[in-house]
Amino acid sequence: GDSVTQMEGPVTLSEEAFLTINCTYTATGYPSLFWYVQYPGEGLQLLLKATKADDKGSNKGFEATYRKETTSFHLEKGSVQVSDSAVYFCALSDRGAAGNKLTFGGGTRVLVKP
Amino acid sequence: EPEVTQTPSHQVTQMGQEVILRCVPISNHLYFYWYRQILGQKVEFLVSFYNNEISEKSEIFDDQFSVERPDGSNFTLKIRSTKLEDSAMYFCASSVDSVRAYEQYFGPGTRLTVT
Repeated sequence: GDSVTQMEGPVTLSEEAFLTINCTYTATGYPSLFWYVQYPGEGLQLLLKATKADDKGSNKGFEATYRKETTSFHLEKGSVQVSDSAVYFCALSDRGAAGNKLTFGGGTRVLVKP
Repeated sequence: EPEVTQTPSHQVTQMGQEVILRCVPISNHLYFYWYRQILGQKVEFLVSFYNNEISEKSEIFDDQFSVERPDGSNFTLKIRSTKLEDSAMYFCASSVDSVRAYEQYFGPGTRLTVT
């Protein structure tokens, strides 16, 4: 079945540092890929998405590129802020599946210190 | 901006009791989902629902679970006889149509504690 693997946290950074969170996936079909973010006490928010190979999703300074050859979708941000402290989830959806379910990675907690 | 809402935010129940978790999806959305996250573990898919039918369900979604859209706005998850291992955060999500079904909007979650 489909699966998503992402680097374990926590990741602790100083403000303005570069952030990378690795994500790789296994899928039987041709998935769409997502990053969701969960701020403390809140639900999951869609951060960015990519629906086909070589697509780059971007939002709020975050970027991720759909790499089919390496089955990866790594999240990057060039200069993090304290407000980026959250848990980040990589996810995929197999567009061929009937139910459109999302399959999530385990989440990576990011803590940005001033 | 429209959002998915869930009630209650926290529910404590005794083992064996029935619980109903409630969700109000975004008003023009057609696809509805429940996920759960046991503390420290992955977010797991439970069920998807479209046109008053279950589209897909996971192995977790056994006979103890049911979903319903009792009116035009609410979407509920019922657990008939709760077990300790049902303790988790339950998230409702919705998406607008089949083309963008993958773009799911999540509610803030209901934390269910079974004692």
